[in-house]
Amino acid sequence: AQSVTQLDSQVPVFEEAPVELRCNYSSSVSVYLFWYVQYPNQGLQLLLKYLSGSTLVKGINGFEAEFNKSQTSFHLRKPSVHISDTAEYFCAVSLQGAQKLVFGQGTRLTINP
Amino acid sequence: DADVTQTPRNRITKTGKRIMLECSQTKGHDRMYWYRQDPGLGLRLIYYSFDVKDINKGEISDGYSVSRQAQAKFSLSLESAIPNQTALYFCATSDLGSSGTSNTGELFFGEGSRLTVL
Repeated sequence: AQSVTQLDSQVPVFEEAPVELRCNYSSSVSVYLFWYVQYPNQGLQLLLKYLSGSTLVKGINGFEAEFNKSQTSFHLRKPSVHISDTAEYFCAVSLQGAQKLVFGQGTRLTINP
Repeated sequence: DADVTQTPRNRITKTGKRIMLECSQTKGHDRMYWYRQDPGLGLRLIYYSFDVKDINKGEISDGYSVSRQAQAKFSLSLESAIPNQTALYFCATSDLGSSGTSNTGELFFGEGSRLTVL
């Protein structure tokens, strides 16, 4: 069965600094990969997804992620964060043709002024 | 209006009470899901349904039941609530996939129902 590990439970950064949120998955077959964001007191919304093709995926709000098949990773990056990026971020994986997503534990991103 | 609507948004109840969380969607999706979110544990799947006649257990179904009343409605019940069921519950939907393509698993979430069991 596939699993997802988000390596950092909390990431504090200063405003305008770069950030990377790490995600590794385990699966012996091809997968689809997702990052979701949860702003305070809200539901989850899709940030970006990798289905196929280019391994560098661009999402909303200036975020991007790179799929690395050999390292089974899908790390999320942003070159310059803003206070409004304060949220919890979830990495998720589904098998191609699969029926449900498996989520990581979440990473809480805190932006300090 | 939200595409996926959950009610109630917040509920406080006592141990042993029966609770129902309701979910309705206007996205026209066939697949519906219930997840619970706990700090440090991410989202864990409780039940999922691919159509009105197809309901499946997720990884943490004990203590829960569901009902798919229609394509657009999927409710979650706690027959006898206990304190460790205190959590944030999310309903989500997924498209079957357009003709010729497979479903990717992408989910569309409601805003969540916060349940506290005292």
